[in-house]
Amino acid sequence: DADVTQTPRNRITKTGKRIMLECSQTKGHDRMYWYRQDPGLGLRLIYYSFDVKDINKGEISDGYSVSRQAQAKFSLSLESAIPNQTALYFCATSDSRQGVWNQPQHFGDGTRLSIL
Amino acid sequence: GENVEQHPSTLSVQEGDSAVIKCTYSDSASNYFPWYKQELGKGPQLIIDIRSNVGEKKDQRIAVTLNKTAKHFSLHITETQPEDSAVYFCAARRYGGATNKLIFGTGTLLAVQP
Repeated sequence: DADVTQTPRNRITKTGKRIMLECSQTKGHDRMYWYRQDPGLGLRLIYYSFDVKDINKGEISDGYSVSRQAQAKFSLSLESAIPNQTALYFCATSDSRQGVWNQPQHFGDGTRLSIL
Repeated sequence: GENVEQHPSTLSVQEGDSAVIKCTYSDSASNYFPWYKQELGKGPQLIIDIRSNVGEKKDQRIAVTLNKTAKHFSLHITETQPEDSAVYFCAARRYGGATNKLIFGTGTLLAVQP
């Protein structure tokens, strides 16, 4: 979904480095999410944010932190990267104004992160 | 918490045949079940979804069925085409749905052979 932009698209780095993945959206959605995708494991939720002042942990938040700089921007940080954080990372958005039932999540095209 | 199992992990069909992917969920309070298609190098895209108060939903060649008693739901693709080749994910969301947290299955790689 071109309305959800993730940068960088690919990143290779070394163990112990601090990494930031960025997500920006032009959809005007209030909710944003960070997922991690590993082969055979599907997508797992790392953090989610309902608005700029609301940040919540997901299933696998250990080793990660997030910042919601504005309604349109949500970044994910790895403070000290380790090899088992090598994965594909996706940002998603949804619009709470669509109601409880009709609130699909829209995904960016992902960041492939490799930690050596 | 919710757990979603998805089968098969890989599926190969001939062009024109039908494909069926099945998911089971554990939390009887789950009430929303979307299906996503992920093409190579892209993020997942929603292709169809179903609420718990509906048993079946169709959109052209795609349909989803839900059996709440058995806690399983299925994606049906008829008259498959090569462009249907992708990874498909099912997901479930529990009401209290204010969080809109989705639990995803592990994905099915569908290959449509021309």
